[in-house]
Amino acid sequence: ELKVEQNPLFLSMQEGKNYTIYCNYSTTSDRLYWYRQDPGKSLESLFVLLSNGAVKQEGRLMASLDTKARLSTLHITAAVHDLSATYFCAVDGGSQGNLIFGKGTKLSVKP
Amino acid sequence: DAGVIQSPRHEVTEMGQEVTLRCKPISGHDYLFWYRQTMMRGLELLIYFNNNVPIDDSGMPEDRFSAKMPNASFSTLKIQPSEPRDSAVYFCASSPDPLAGASFGPGTRLTVL
Repeated sequence: ELKVEQNPLFLSMQEGKNYTIYCNYSTTSDRLYWYRQDPGKSLESLFVLLSNGAVKQEGRLMASLDTKARLSTLHITAAVHDLSATYFCAVDGGSQGNLIFGKGTKLSVKP
Repeated sequence: DAGVIQSPRHEVTEMGQEVTLRCKPISGHDYLFWYRQTMMRGLELLIYFNNNVPIDDSGMPEDRFSAKMPNASFSTLKIQPSEPRDSAVYFCASSPDPLAGASFGPGTRLTVL
């Protein structure tokens, strides 16, 4: 059974600081996805990582994928309050885009 | 594009009643997924379709749950009879291909009393 583990599950940061969220998964996969969810809202796609060594950046967020280590990271640079949300990683559970999600990391950025 | 459309957005019902959730995927997306989100269990994949055909329903919790996709622009998730433990947010998502990742609808918040 494919398992996706994120840590930490809760993260309280000060504005301006850097931090990394980790996503480990239990089976071989070349595809990993990051989503953001604001309270009471739907999931918004952030990054699609489709190969070993893939790195993508958008604003203060950067995601990377190491398929050999079965690890993805989401790095936050100089956090701002607007980044407060829950971040999910998801791995392709088979070959048809059926995503298996981690528990999510609830990020709170405080001034 | 309007994105994935779900209805109703909120549903409150009593235990034992039938509940039907509806989804319209993004036009041209051949893959459709139903997820359930709860605090305890997180996001769970219930069932997914490819070209209107159910591919994997192993995530459907019980026989009380059923899903259909009669055409490329419409899917339903039915719970009959509903129970309080079915209370959750149900998301429909669609994707144009297996690599693209899924676009999620706004969700239906179901409360079963």
